[in-house]
Amino acid sequence: ETGVTQTPRHLVMGMTNKKSLKCEQHLGHNAMYWYKQSAKKPLELMFVYSLEERVENNSVPSRFSPECPNSSHLFLHLHTLQPEDSALYLCASSQSDLRSSAMNTEAFFGQGTRLTVV
Amino acid sequence: RKEVEQDPGPFNVPEGATVAFNCTYSNSASQSFFWYRQDCRKEPKLLMSVYSSGNEDGRFTAQLNRASQYISLLIRDSKLSDSATYLCVFLDSNYQLIWGAGTKLIIKP
Repeated sequence: ETGVTQTPRHLVMGMTNKKSLKCEQHLGHNAMYWYKQSAKKPLELMFVYSLEERVENNSVPSRFSPECPNSSHLFLHLHTLQPEDSALYLCASSQSDLRSSAMNTEAFFGQGTRLTVV
Repeated sequence: RKEVEQDPGPFNVPEGATVAFNCTYSNSASQSFFWYRQDCRKEPKLLMSVYSSGNEDGRFTAQLNRASQYISLLIRDSKLSDSATYLCVFLDSNYQLIWGAGTKLIIKP
């Protein structure tokens, strides 16, 4: 069983729908991340949470809204998405916020949610 | 110029051969470097960190060339199971992981 689990694995939604992606980590990590991976493009960092506090928001459109209720759970709320938002959304966690120690920089990923916006 | 550049491949390599690929980075202040591996339709997983002095883990050797701003990954005696996409990553001055788009490797029997 992976230390980071994401649900759902696949999601098809219309542009007017509202849905949420869920991520849970069982590793006792303090930092969690949302990444977007589009075909043949590098991973794009969307949000970073450290100890449940958002520390980074890379100018992501407001139609993506993160929520971190505790250090083990992370959500990504989606509403009025566009077809170009179709991608693989990956959640990751690391032992600590990368700013505190570069030695703990290994990121553990969930298997991702493959999102298709129609 | 992209922050991280990788040859997308694919590299088609016969089983047992040695293969190497590089990754160039533009941020000279980068301190930490990594190679991740991503299998088809799976999540990325850390393969190895890249140390200034170079490091080896079994059949895999990673090296850092700061003067030319690139890191390399060498795979010896390649196996079919080495087929994957290899992602180059570095930690920038804002402590963000910056990712390359990956190099696809296909090992053929």
